[in-house]
Amino acid sequence: DAGVIQSPRHEVTEMGQEVTLRCKPISGHNSLFWYRQTMMRGLELLIYFNNNVPIDDSGMPEDRFSAKMPNASFSTLKIQPSEPRDSAVYFCASSPVGKVTEAFFGQGTRLTVV
Amino acid sequence: AQSVTQLGSHVSVSEGALVLLRCNYSSSVPPYLFWYVQYPNQGLQLLLKYTSAATLVKGINGFEAEFKKSETSFHLTKPSAHMSDAAEYFCAVSDGNFNKFYFGSGTKLNVKP
Repeated sequence: DAGVIQSPRHEVTEMGQEVTLRCKPISGHNSLFWYRQTMMRGLELLIYFNNNVPIDDSGMPEDRFSAKMPNASFSTLKIQPSEPRDSAVYFCASSPVGKVTEAFFGQGTRLTVV
Repeated sequence: AQSVTQLGSHVSVSEGALVLLRCNYSSSVPPYLFWYVQYPNQGLQLLLKYTSAATLVKGINGFEAEFKKSETSFHLTKPSAHMSDAAEYFCAVSDGNFNKFYFGSGTKLNVKP
């Protein structure tokens, strides 16, 4: 299995632009998580899905952030418009529901908003 | 609600010395506990997990952790540190509900030659 795949690995964009981060979870995993990692705030859970349905989006910082999971093999995290304070590493993770197991993380997308 | 506290944002040990990274948890239900390691510019990788079986859990790279309910702790240890152990380590707890994970703030381990 290729693991959780995120794209792009690096993204540099100008303030005000729309940014879309992509994630392909491990096949057969029913839960998908988006995390943000910064020096100041550590690892924060933004949103998680179960069977493509958003279960808890209380970690989404503001309305500029949105996430979708149109099918079991794809999810996006969109920031519109982007701001410099959104600069961070964004991780996607997946896990199978039905048994307690760990979350499997992707390599992350390093976002820089200038 | 679940949460974890990692004591010490930075720990420095000499190569060959004991590694001890501390984690205390709070959980209203029997917890499931995890330790992850993150190398620079990488994602998080599972070291070990506790899921209510044996209280002493052995993981990869010689690490182990002991679940102590009375102390609400799940400290990570390794008898002899290696240079390649230098990384950031995260403790996490889950209540098993949709496998939602709560991560600690992380501990950066530095290994001196």
